[in-house]
Amino acid sequence: QITLKESGPTLVKPTQTLTLTCTFSGFSLSTSGVGVGWIRQPPGKALEWLALIYWNDDKRYSPSLESRLTITKDTSKNQVVLTMTNMDPVDTATYYCAHRRVQLFDYWGQGTLVTVSS
Amino acid sequence: DIVMTQSPDSLAVSLGERATINCKSSQSVLYSSNDKNYLAWYQQKPGQPPKLLIYWASTRESGVPDRFSGSGSGTDFTLTISSLQAEDVAVYYCQQYYNSYTFGQGTKLEIK
Repeated sequence: QITLKESGPTLVKPTQTLTLTCTFSGFSLSTSGVGVGWIRQPPGKALEWLALIYWNDDKRYSPSLESRLTITKDTSKNQVVLTMTNMDPVDTATYYCAHRRVQLFDYWGQGTLVTVSS
Repeated sequence: DIVMTQSPDSLAVSLGERATINCKSSQSVLYSSNDKNYLAWYQQKPGQPPKLLIYWASTRESGVPDRFSGSGSGTDFTLTISSLQAEDVAVYYCQQYYNSYTFGQGTKLEIK
């Protein structure tokens, strides 16, 4: 059974760097074809894809946010880490990590709400 | 970026009636080499993460009731719930995975 859980700070100040960790179980990020993605959702708004890392360490980023994002994996710990620099109040959102199966996000974590405020 | 536009933004349907949600992409998401539409539908209930319902525009995810169906090709797609149940109240999102990933703005489905 696949599960994912996001963890990280609930409050960050403007200009700070956000670091979120996705800890998962039920699959291995060393298995061919597997990936883990990050998606966010501002309160009451739509979903926005941020980044994706594949089993072979290939990485993809949202073009509009690429300069601020870094995604890494630690296969031995079953974790994926997302960092986002220069946080702004408009980055306030629930951040989800999700398992990628053949280009689809089929299992999602419960999400973690990150508020950006001074 | 491929822009996904859903209509309507909100919809109220009586229990047992049909609900139809539309999604239009700014460019085709049909990949000619395999004749597949790279279009998915998700359901999100309050306080929950999205749940994958439909992929390849018309393939139901395992465990999804058969009252949910997807149709369309190219740039125009539809999610249909044939007989609305109370547990179907949610926000529905379309998503393209043809080029990166983008979501529609969501359609809120309520009971009339």
